[in-house]
Amino acid sequence: DIVMTQTPLSLSVTPGQPASISCKSSQSLLHSDGKTYLYWYLQKPGQSPQLLIYEVSNRFSGVPDRFSGSGSGTDFTLKISRVEAEDVGVYYCMQSIQLPPTFGPGTKVDIK
Amino acid sequence: EVQLVESGGGLVQPGRSLRLSCTASGFTFGDYAMSWVRQAPGKGLEWVGFIRSKAYGGTTEYAASVKGRFTISRDDSKSIAYLQMNSLKTEDTAVYYCTRASWFDPWGQGTLVTVSS
Repeated sequence: DIVMTQTPLSLSVTPGQPASISCKSSQSLLHSDGKTYLYWYLQKPGQSPQLLIYEVSNRFSGVPDRFSGSGSGTDFTLKISRVEAEDVGVYYCMQSIQLPPTFGPGTKVDIK
Repeated sequence: EVQLVESGGGLVQPGRSLRLSCTASGFTFGDYAMSWVRQAPGKGLEWVGFIRSKAYGGTTEYAASVKGRFTISRDDSKSIAYLQMNSLKTEDTAVYYCTRASWFDPWGQGTLVTVSS
């Protein structure tokens, strides 16, 4: 199975400041079709996960533009340009290039 | 509005069975693969398995931890996906979510399964 790791595992951010989460995979997530199957999800407290970013850098419908994704191969980053109170929760990266789809351990983001 | 609603969770003894349902609305259910993902209390997300759409054979794939015990099926006429869980173990205790397609959106609200004697 592809192992996904995330750093840091927790992050405390002042509102209005940027935040960055790293995600690394044990194998390249670049498919022969040219797509890279790396996704980001946010699970807000008491809620189900929600899709933020698909295929590394594409913001899903309705996701604010303060969220951005980047990276390639095995190294990926989720950035929040200016953290807002509603951004608190646990962020997960996930790969689906290979079965089984696997998630990172999650990064818990809270507000200072 | 695209929506998924899970049901069927509850308290069950080890070794017993339980069937979860995922009722979809707001989209053409038969066009999409459907997945189940679980989250043990206080833990992260674990993919359980999925069922492809009929266009792709309606076949299934499972995580090693549930293979041979869990079965996913679908009724496209009712827009429902099922997760049949047999030989339940205490480590199967989790909130079970259903979600759509390979990009996992949307997610249902989840249903809690507690396996305990």
